[in-house]
Amino acid sequence: EAGVAQSPRYKIIEKRQSVAFWCNPISGHATLYWYQQILGQGPKLLIQFQNNGVVDDSQLPKDRFSAERLKGVDSTLKIQPAKLEDSAVYLCASSPWGEVRNTIYFGEGSWLTVV
Amino acid sequence: KNEVEQSPQNLTAQEGEFITINCSYSVGISALHWLQQHPGGGIVSLFMLSSGKKKHGRLIATINIQEKHSSLHITASHPRDSAVYICAVKRIQGAQKLVFGQGTRLTINP
Repeated sequence: EAGVAQSPRYKIIEKRQSVAFWCNPISGHATLYWYQQILGQGPKLLIQFQNNGVVDDSQLPKDRFSAERLKGVDSTLKIQPAKLEDSAVYLCASSPWGEVRNTIYFGEGSWLTVV
Repeated sequence: KNEVEQSPQNLTAQEGEFITINCSYSVGISALHWLQQHPGGGIVSLFMLSSGKKKHGRLIATINIQEKHSSLHITASHPRDSAVYICAVKRIQGAQKLVFGQGTRLTINP
């Protein structure tokens, strides 16, 4: 079974530039998550999709971050304009729907450095 | 106060030692995950628990729902076990939202 795919793995940009990350979840997984993990901290949920609808985006800085999952499969996370404090690993994860106690599968992460 | 607290934050041990990492949480949960994150890598799910104990190879995870506490044990530790171990709980309230601990950085020296 193919895992959660993310790209790019590494990205370095200057502040005020824009960046986009892509995620392809495990086939058939209805729920998709984007997490931000700053060095030395645990992951923080940015946005959760159920199919192509947003379930939770309460911690997404909507002035600069946006995410979409148009066809309920893959997803993109965009940052525009980037700030130095956006330097982090952006993790995509997916899980199936229908049970409360589903496991969750993480991608390798996209490492962003803003200089 | 964080809803999920892990201890210790950092742990260094010699190869072969028995390792214990603790996780305490303050919310009602439906499941608890233990995750492993290697430097430069993504996160791998080690265990998902809702009660009792699970074992996989040299790894053992236990959970006490009444005390809101879980432990991850590693027997016969090896340098390749060096990683960050993260406890995450799935709240009963809210749509499958995971709340993460800050992680425990484990270093096993040969």
